Amino acid sequence: DTGVSQDPRHKITKRGQNVTFRCDPISEHNRLYWYRQTLGQGPEFLTYFQNEAQLEKSRLLSDRFSAERPKGSFSTLEIQRTEQGDSAMYLCASSLEENYGYTFGSGTRLTVV
Amino acid sequence: AQTVTQSQPEMSVQEAETVTLSCTYDTSESDYYLFWYKQPPSRQMILVIRQEAYKQQNATENRFSVNFQKAAKSFSLKISDSQLGDAAMYFCAYRTNFGNEKLTFGTGTRLTIIP
Repeated sequence: DTGVSQDPRHKITKRGQNVTFRCDPISEHNRLYWYRQTLGQGPEFLTYFQNEAQLEKSRLLSDRFSAERPKGSFSTLEIQRTEQGDSAMYLCASSLEENYGYTFGSGTRLTVV
Repeated sequence: AQTVTQSQPEMSVQEAETVTLSCTYDTSESDYYLFWYKQPPSRQMILVIRQEAYKQQNATENRFSVNFQKAAKSFSLKISDSQLGDAAMYFCAYRTNFGNEKLTFGTGTRLTIIP
């Protein structure tokens, strides 16, 4: 197991286009989290899954954002009608138990032009 | 809502010396977890150390230790014998122990190691 994988590493898209990111967690981890990090800031929580159930969504996650985790394995994060303000690093993390620290992926850098 | 404050945007330390990074947080809860994460230039965040609020003993991981002052809501990270590989952004994070699993991060401290 090579850790948490995120694809793609970088994405440049035109404003108004839809984008989808993928996260593959560590295989035995049942919890999966999405965060967004802008330059010079700490990561901000977006949403998390326990197995296939999406248990919490941040108010940051507007209706243009949707996340899924079918069958409790990999997860996708889709952003519809992208805006320049969506430009950020999108981080995925997974964990086995709720009270331990996460394992993060390397992130997907989104640039909206 | 909980907040985490890191008041030192940048710190530097001579190689082999000791440095302390500050973190304060605000919460009305009594049971929670605190973390320090390291984010090297490659951007993958790595867990450095974890502290459970109900444990009075400060956590230690090799050269990394914390000074947890619950009453003062302070959680500083001490790095001993600093090494070039310690250069990174360091983020302090808070997590409640009451169902909500999200981490609340501070804005980070950039640590530079001077050879």
